Amino acid sequence: DTAVSQTPKYLVTQMGNDKSIKCEQNLGHDTMYWYKQDSKKFLKIMFSYNNKELIINETVPNRFSPKSPDKAHLNLHINSLELGDSAVYFCASEASGRRNTQYFGPGTRLTVL
Amino acid sequence: AQSVTQPDIHITVSEGASLELRCNYSYGATPYLFWYVQSPGQGLQLLLKYFSGDTLVQGIKGFEAEFKRSQSSFNLRKPSVHWSDAAEYFCAAANEKLTFGTGTRLTIIP
Repeated sequence: DTAVSQTPKYLVTQMGNDKSIKCEQNLGHDTMYWYKQDSKKFLKIMFSYNNKELIINETVPNRFSPKSPDKAHLNLHINSLELGDSAVYFCASEASGRRNTQYFGPGTRLTVL
Repeated sequence: AQSVTQPDIHITVSEGASLELRCNYSYGATPYLFWYVQSPGQGLQLLLKYFSGDTLVQGIKGFEAEFKRSQSSFNLRKPSVHWSDAAEYFCAAANEKLTFGTGTRLTIIP
């Protein structure tokens, strides 16, 4: 069973569209994250949720809106997509008290044309 | 500002040779330290982590890392690399949140 899963794996879309990426973890963890990996492989945290509550928001444009319907899911919705949003987006999860030991999903490669 | 530096963008080693990937951190206090590996087209896999205690940490796939407080370093080592070790390696440090280095791409030649 996949511990942290993301759908879709690839997403190709036009500028201006709205799209969502889904993340699910079956590890029973309380905290989930979204990271963006740019074309130079640089990884940067975007958001963190703990038990469905937003705890980190790293100056991400408000076109990006995370939603956590329950603690096993953290979805990322992106409005009005721009060329610069093209990247690989990784979801990760972490158990409480596990000192930032995070488990990553396989990534979603978003290409905005 | 807190940062993690991986000085080597790309390293090439022969199969069977030893490997050392460098990582330095700049934090007020010693953070938690991690090494992740990313194979082509894949997500990140945790290789090992250091929180406290023994400064030589053993990880998966035959990797180890040594924490040196005096040098603010957490270098990753492997005595003998295999072709399957070719990947991107990320060092990361955390206090409240995880900060990644820019990665080192490892190429293995036969």
